[in-house]
Amino acid sequence: DAGVIQSPRHEVTEMGQEVTLRCKPISGHNSLFWYRQTMMRGLELLIYFNNNVPIDDSGMPEDRFSAKMPNASFSTLKIQPSEPRDSAVYFCASSWDGAYEQYFGPGTRLTVT
Amino acid sequence: AQTVTQSQPEMSVQEAETVTLSCTYDTSESDYYLFWYKQPPSRQMILVIRQEAYKQQNATENRFSVNFQKAAKSFSLKISDSQLGDAAMYFCAYRSANTGNQFYFGTGTSLTVIP
Repeated sequence: DAGVIQSPRHEVTEMGQEVTLRCKPISGHNSLFWYRQTMMRGLELLIYFNNNVPIDDSGMPEDRFSAKMPNASFSTLKIQPSEPRDSAVYFCASSWDGAYEQYFGPGTRLTVT
Repeated sequence: AQTVTQSQPEMSVQEAETVTLSCTYDTSESDYYLFWYKQPPSRQMILVIRQEAYKQQNATENRFSVNFQKAAKSFSLKISDSQLGDAAMYFCAYRSANTGNQFYFGTGTSLTVIP
């Protein structure tokens, strides 16, 4: 089975540009999570969806960040406009109600210059 | 919200030796799950071991075992016969059994394995 798929794996952009990160959860999973990892703040939950509905977005840093899950097999995390402090590794993870653990994608390393 | 604390930012162990990573958590719930995830330099998050709170027996996966002390809210990971490939960041995580799928992660412990 394919795991959680994230694209791109690396993204370098200039400050002010729009950035879109993509995630395809494992087929059959109904929960999807977006995390941000930095040296300073560790692993932070940004938002999570259950059955395509955002359940908790309290971790989204500010209005520049938005996330969507139009269907069960696709989600995006958008940053507009991007800033250097957004540089981090962004992980997507998925799970399902009967599961214990979350399954992580390989992450997207974002660098904003 | 639940909190997970890993008080050891860095640990080191000689190859073939045993090391224990500490984790404590705070919750008012009685039914939950605890996890250890490993993040090697490739940055892929890999599940190492899982413990259900209702189980008294400590979970074991090959060289990895846990010491789960429910009353003390402690959940340590023991790595036996450490190997170079064990070098990674290790994260402790908590998940409620009753209130959704959200995980709470600790800040991680960076493990170095010395040849």
